[in-house]
Amino acid sequence: KQEVTQIPAALSVPEGENLVLNCSFTDSAIYNLQWFRQDPGKGLTSLLLIQSSQREQTSGRLNASLDKSSGRSTLYIAASQPGDSATYLCAVNPGSNYKLTFGKGTLLTVNP
Amino acid sequence: DVKVTQSSRYLVKRTGEKVFLECVQDMDHENMFWYRQDPGLGLRLIYFSYDVKMKEKGDIPEGYSVSREKKERFSLILESTSTNQTSMYLCASSSTPLAGEYRSGRNEQFFGPGTRLTVL
Repeated sequence: KQEVTQIPAALSVPEGENLVLNCSFTDSAIYNLQWFRQDPGKGLTSLLLIQSSQREQTSGRLNASLDKSSGRSTLYIAASQPGDSATYLCAVNPGSNYKLTFGKGTLLTVNP
Repeated sequence: DVKVTQSSRYLVKRTGEKVFLECVQDMDHENMFWYRQDPGLGLRLIYFSYDVKMKEKGDIPEGYSVSREKKERFSLILESTSTNQTSMYLCASSSTPLAGEYRSGRNEQFFGPGTRLTVL
């Protein structure tokens, strides 16, 4: 059974810092991996999707990498801003039925 | 622009009441999902549907049922609510890759804004 772990559970950084969020998964046979952002009391917003054949994806200040063989993905946020404060979740798609397995998220606080 | 909408943002119900949560997507997606999210437990899949009138149980289907009569609409039904069903309910949708695209790894999942259900 696929398990997804996100470390750390919470992270607090000063504004302007570059930071890395980690996601690890136990079964490397994945179809894709998706990173989401969730603001308090809201739904999930898709940030990046990395296909199994890709090594990384970029969108603005965000860069996500994927290393299937080691079962790891990272989300790099450059020049963090207070508006980046949210919970970040990663989710693995095994492919056969498109059901995602989620990590429990990293709560990020960027202090002005 | 991709859009998944849910019928209510907040609901308060009494134990034993019947609740319908409705989800609509405008992307012509084949797959639709219902999750619940609880502190410390993360997101857990309740049911999903990969086509009209088709459904499969997720990880925690007990106490819930679903209906998908039209492609764009997926309803979650709580026949007789209990306090342990107090939660945030999230709907999502995704497309099914075309046969030639299966290995592409596409089929991003899109979420609605969520419904916060409180059962008293």
